[in-house]
This record gives sequence, structure tokens and C-alpha cells, in this order.
Amino acid sequence: GENVGLHLPTLSVQEGDNSIINCAYSNSASDYFIWYKQESGKGPQFIIDIRSNMDKRQGQRVTVLLNKTVKHLSLQIAATQPGDSAVYFCAEMGSNYKLTFGKGTLLTVNP
Amino acid sequence: GAGVSQSPSNKVTEKGKDVELRCDPISGHTALYWYRQRLGQGLEFLIYFQGNSAPDKSGLPSDRFSAERTGESVSTLTIQRTQQEDSAVYLCASSSRTGLGGYGYTFGSGTRLTVV
Repeated sequence: GENVGLHLPTLSVQEGDNSIINCAYSNSASDYFIWYKQESGKGPQFIIDIRSNMDKRQGQRVTVLLNKTVKHLSLQIAATQPGDSAVYFCAEMGSNYKLTFGKGTLLTVNP
Repeated sequence: GAGVSQSPSNKVTEKGKDVELRCDPISGHTALYWYRQRLGQGLEFLIYFQGNSAPDKSGLPSDRFSAERTGESVSTLTIQRTQQEDSAVYLCASSSRTGLGGYGYTFGSGTRLTVV
């Protein structure tokens, strides 16, 4: 179930560096995964998704890696920019189409 | 509309009062979800509607919480006898579940509820 009650982990990087945000998911039967970005005062926005039959997917400046053996997802952001500062959530979807979200990671990009 | 619309965007209410939050999903989206997000925390699932199927209410925290949706249109989340612990942002999302472009949800901007 949802894990609420804990403050968000944080990641601080320098502008131009690459960022890696990690996420552990709970359900080995989940077959679809999504990364969301949430800026202050806004709802989460879709970044990139990946199905369980893949282990890597690339977008523009972002890459998602999936390791089903250890139930681990990561989001890599290349050449991180100040506009990338936000909270990043991973989410997993099972056969019932319901998304379960991870705790989120606060990314801060220092100029 | 072009996106998921939620109203009101902000709501301040006195402890013990009832509140009603509204969500207008993207037209044609069959699935609608409500989540709660406390300050600085993750998204907590509340309830899920899919077409005319019975809703998945497994995330509702107490019987003070209820939600309705008529067909594939507007949904309302009602919180009765509000408590200070109900203060949070309530997010709504909808999804087409067509398989095209993935199953990603589109979120609204949320309703920030403050119980005083």
C-alpha cells in the first residue's frame, strides 16, 4: 500500500550534471511503470513510461531503466537544468489499471 | 476541455463542516482517480472509477470520505465532518486506457484543502 508519513528524500546536483533518481517498486506483477514530475503548486506531469517487457527506454534528455529482478526503476536526466528542479515520482500499474506511487524524490538543481 | 479541471483550487473550511470537491476529467476518459497529497509527501490513492464498474474504494481513509461519478463525466469527492488531518491537496486524474500512448494519467492541478 501507500507509504505516507515520511518526508521526501532529496537529491542536489549542479547545473549541467547528470541526475539519477532511483525508485523501488513493490509488486512483481506490475507491468507498466511511469515517471512523473511535480512542480510546486501543480499536479504531476507525465515524463516517460516503460513496459515490463523492456529494460530501457529513452526520451529527450531522460532515460528510464527497469530492473525487474530487484524491482528497481531509475530515471536518468542528462545535462540537468534549473527547470528540472521538482519532485519526481515513480508509479507502477498492475492488472487493475490502478497506479501506485512511490514516495517521491526532491531534485534541486544548483546554478 | 483540454485537461483535467478541478474546483475549487483552494478551500478553507472549519473543522466539522462538510466539503465537496469537483473533478472534470478529459472528455472520453473512462477512468478517473482521486489521490490525496499531504504537504511534502507522496500521493495516497483514495478511489478509482472505471466506466460503469463498481468503484475501487480501497483507499478511502474513513467513512467520512465518499465519491461519486455519473457515467464518464464529472466526479465529486465529499468529506464529511472535516478534521484538521484532512488538510491536504486532493488530486484528480483521468485516463483513457486505450493503450495508445500508454496508460498514463493526466492530473489536474488539485484542490488545496485547509481545515482550521
